[in-house]
Amino acid sequence: NAGVMQNPRHLVRRRGQEARLRCSPMKGHSHVYWYRQLPEEGLKFMVYLQKENIIDESGMPKERFSAEFPKEGPSILRIQQVVRGDSAAYFCASSRDQYGYTFGSGTRLTVV
Amino acid sequence: TQLLEQSPQFLSIQEGENLTVYCNSSSVFSSLQWYRQEPGEGPVLLVTVVTGGEVKKLKRLTFQFGDARKDSSLHITAAQPGDTGLYLCAGARGNEKLTFGTGTRLTIIP
Repeated sequence: NAGVMQNPRHLVRRRGQEARLRCSPMKGHSHVYWYRQLPEEGLKFMVYLQKENIIDESGMPKERFSAEFPKEGPSILRIQQVVRGDSAAYFCASSRDQYGYTFGSGTRLTVV
Repeated sequence: TQLLEQSPQFLSIQEGENLTVYCNSSSVFSSLQWYRQEPGEGPVLLVTVVTGGEVKKLKRLTFQFGDARKDSSLHITAAQPGDTGLYLCAGARGNEKLTFGTGTRLTIIP
């Protein structure tokens, strides 16, 4: 019963390094969403992708952040030149339609 | 920007009591979902409501979608310690992404 798989679960990066977060959606799901959650806060939308297409990136910071969902392989959220403010839990979700997301367990990024 | 406000933000009650959590917006949604999130994990979908006035029950949890599809409530009867967690409502308009509410952190005291 493979759900949404995210890895790594925990990622520590020094300031200025790159962070790569991976997400494999549930089988049969073609919609992938990335959200960011700061401690004691709700989930903030970042980007919505379908295979090889970015549908909505209105929540993505204009610089240093990028996302892809290639034809083969997982979706990748990439953060270049990380800063301390990037420290957060990053959640990926997938869905078949808009009526119910399945979330992964998240990647907790710590920038030191 | 769609804004979903949840109230209360924090709620701590004794085991066996009843409680209601509210999710309000000035925007109309085509569907509204409730999630529960435990520490260190991702949110887990509890229910989706799509019709104005719709009521759905999940054991001791009752979810209602407002007639105008702008608000929703979650009622828990005879709360148990296992109900402790962060409850999130989320709304969608058509095929757009989900917008999450501000969250209600519920603690049930044994």
